[in-house]
Amino acid sequence: DAKTTQPPSMDCAEGRAANLPCNHSTISGNEYVYWYRQIHSQGPRYIIHGLKNNETNEMASLIITEDRKSSTLILPHATLRDTAVYYCTGTGDSGGGADGLTFGKGTHLIIQP
Amino acid sequence: NAGVTQTPKFRVLKTGQSMTLLCAQDMNHEYMYWYRQDPGMGLRLIHYSVGEGTTAKGEVPDGYNVSRLKKQNFLLGLESAAPSQTSVYFCASSKQQGGPLNEQFFGPGTRLTVL
Repeated sequence: DAKTTQPPSMDCAEGRAANLPCNHSTISGNEYVYWYRQIHSQGPRYIIHGLKNNETNEMASLIITEDRKSSTLILPHATLRDTAVYYCTGTGDSGGGADGLTFGKGTHLIIQP
Repeated sequence: NAGVTQTPKFRVLKTGQSMTLLCAQDMNHEYMYWYRQDPGMGLRLIHYSVGEGTTAKGEVPDGYNVSRLKKQNFLLGLESAAPSQTSVYFCASSKQQGGPLNEQFFGPGTRLTVL
């Protein structure tokens, strides 16, 4: 099961790419990495997920290292509305239990105007 | 679709009182979860359910009980509230656990204060 480590905070200028790292060195072979974000005190919302390959959707890109021990979430053109706390999570294995499900403390991303 | 809803949104309890938090989802998801969020602590899993009639312990289960009598509902109970249970509680649901369909949908949260 993956325990995740993220920097507590990061700044990024508006319009630039925001790159958020996550270390998940204990991730198991069939465990997915998911990213969520939480704005103010709202419930977290899903961004993207991946297993081995890099992924891209309308919100972000996810780069997973070849050894799967870390990943980077990329917000290509950050806006002020991207200021939020970002969580990467390991899902546990595919056995059906959620006891491996972990949310760390996340990274507070602050977009500067 | 309403997604995941939680009631109540806010509650203040006195130490020793009991209450039940209700979570409902209309997406026919098998998996449901209860988390608590304390300042600077991120989200911690309390209990979860892999289907109707099942429950399991998460990371911080002590002081809480849960029930999943209907697939769409997941109840979190505090039998004797303590100030340490002051927190924001989030419910979530997902179609799958541990795979590519594990996207969790979160409710808006319940803010509980125990005096």
